[in-house]
Amino acid sequence: AQKITQTQPGMFVQEKEAVTLDCTYDTSDQSYGLFWYKQPSSGEMIFLIYQGSYDEQNATEGRYSLNFQKARKSANLVISASQLGDSAMYFCAARTGNQFYFGTGTSLTVIP
Amino acid sequence: NAGVTQTPKFQVLKTGQSMTLQCAQDMNHNSMYWYRQDPGMGLRLIYYSASEGTTDKGEVPNGYNVSRLNKREFSLRLESAAPSQTSVYFCASSEMTGFVSPLHFGNGTRLTVT
Repeated sequence: AQKITQTQPGMFVQEKEAVTLDCTYDTSDQSYGLFWYKQPSSGEMIFLIYQGSYDEQNATEGRYSLNFQKARKSANLVISASQLGDSAMYFCAARTGNQFYFGTGTSLTVIP
Repeated sequence: NAGVTQTPKFQVLKTGQSMTLQCAQDMNHNSMYWYRQDPGMGLRLIYYSASEGTTDKGEVPNGYNVSRLNKREFSLRLESAAPSQTSVYFCASSEMTGFVSPLHFGNGTRLTVT
């Protein structure tokens, strides 16, 4: 099984600033995918961004980017120009084969 | 485009009662999953079904059973509910091929067992 570690239980960021949410993973597989999900207070799980283990460039989706450092086994989420609507729980996940493994999440609060 | 649909959204059970959580997806995905979410513990896999006709245990299967009724539907049954099963339950689906295919989640079921 994979272990996904999110060491920041809670983070605060000023509106319009950038923030980095940390994620490390532990796998011996060569082929894997890394994902970030957002869970607002309403409870749904929203897929944000993914990175494949063979991708050489960092993934980007709008204001989200994934800082992938394969040798360090880290997959940090960077949110640029934070908005009040970014306040939510964020979960990092990894996929090997048909199995997905999740971290315990980081609660992000955007301060006006 | 409904995606993954779960029912019910909320449920209160007494200890010992049974219930079935229903899940259906319309994305033609082969793989379907049931997770539970508890505070501070992230999402933990209960059962998954890699394809129609197969099911496998996840990290926390005790007290649950599943049925992959067809490619679209994957139900989760609690035969004799216990307070420890109070949680938020998520159904999800994914393409089977390709490790970069994400999970698509339903909106969750909030279950309270008293």
